[in-house]
Amino acid sequence: EDKVVQSPLSLVVHEGDTVTLNCSYEVTNFRSLLWYKQEKKAPTFLFMLTSSGIEKKSGRLSSILDKKELFSILNITATQTGDSAIYLCAVATNSGYALNFGKGTSLLVTP
Amino acid sequence: DTAVSQTPKYLVTQMGNDKSIKCEQNLGHDTMYWYKQDSKKFLKIMFSYNNKELIINETVPNRFSPKSPDKAHLNLHINSLELGDSAVYFCASSQITRIDGNTIYFGEGSWLTVV
Repeated sequence: EDKVVQSPLSLVVHEGDTVTLNCSYEVTNFRSLLWYKQEKKAPTFLFMLTSSGIEKKSGRLSSILDKKELFSILNITATQTGDSAIYLCAVATNSGYALNFGKGTSLLVTP
Repeated sequence: DTAVSQTPKYLVTQMGNDKSIKCEQNLGHDTMYWYKQDSKKFLKIMFSYNNKELIINETVPNRFSPKSPDKAHLNLHINSLELGDSAVYFCASSQITRIDGNTIYFGEGSWLTVV
C-alpha cells in the first residue's frame, strides 16, 4: 500500500524563524511529489518535484526531492503570519491518476 | 472566473437525507476527482473520472455515487446520509496527459454537516 508520511504534524514558530517540513514516501512507480498549501479553503499548488537534487524555489519557499532516500523537504525562511496554514505533501504514481496525500503539517506562525 | 467551482459551499442536513454536490471545471481538463477531507484534515481520494469514464473508485460506501454527464462536470450524490459523512468534499481536476498532469486544481470545497 502506498504511504506518504509528513512530519511534524504541527509546528508553532515565531515570525522570522526558518522552518523545515518533511515528507517521506513509499510508493510503487513514483512519478512526482507535490506540495500544497491549505489555508481556510482549497489547497493551492506550491511545487511539483520529479528529479532528485534540483531545488525548486518561490520567494521564501523552497523544496527539494531525494529519490534515493524517498523524501522531500519544504523550507520556509523568514516566516510570516501569512504562512500559517496546513502544508500538504502528495505523491503521484505512474500507475494511478490520483494523488496520495500525507496528513499534512499544521504550521502556526506567531507575531 | 473560478476554474473549479462546486456547489453548495455549505450544506447542513439531517441523517437519512439524500443530497448532491455539483462540480464544474472550465480548464478544459480531462480528469476530475472527488476528495474527502475529514476533521483531522486528511485528504483522501474517493473517485476519479477521465473523459467521463470512472477510473478510480476507492473503498467508499455505495451510498456515494458520482456522475459525469460530460468531462467538465462531475457531480456527487449521497444517499441515506450518516453522521460520519460530515466532512469537506473537494472537487478537483487535472489534464493527465500533460507533463505536469499530476498537478491537480481544487475547488473551494463543500462543507457537509449531517445532524
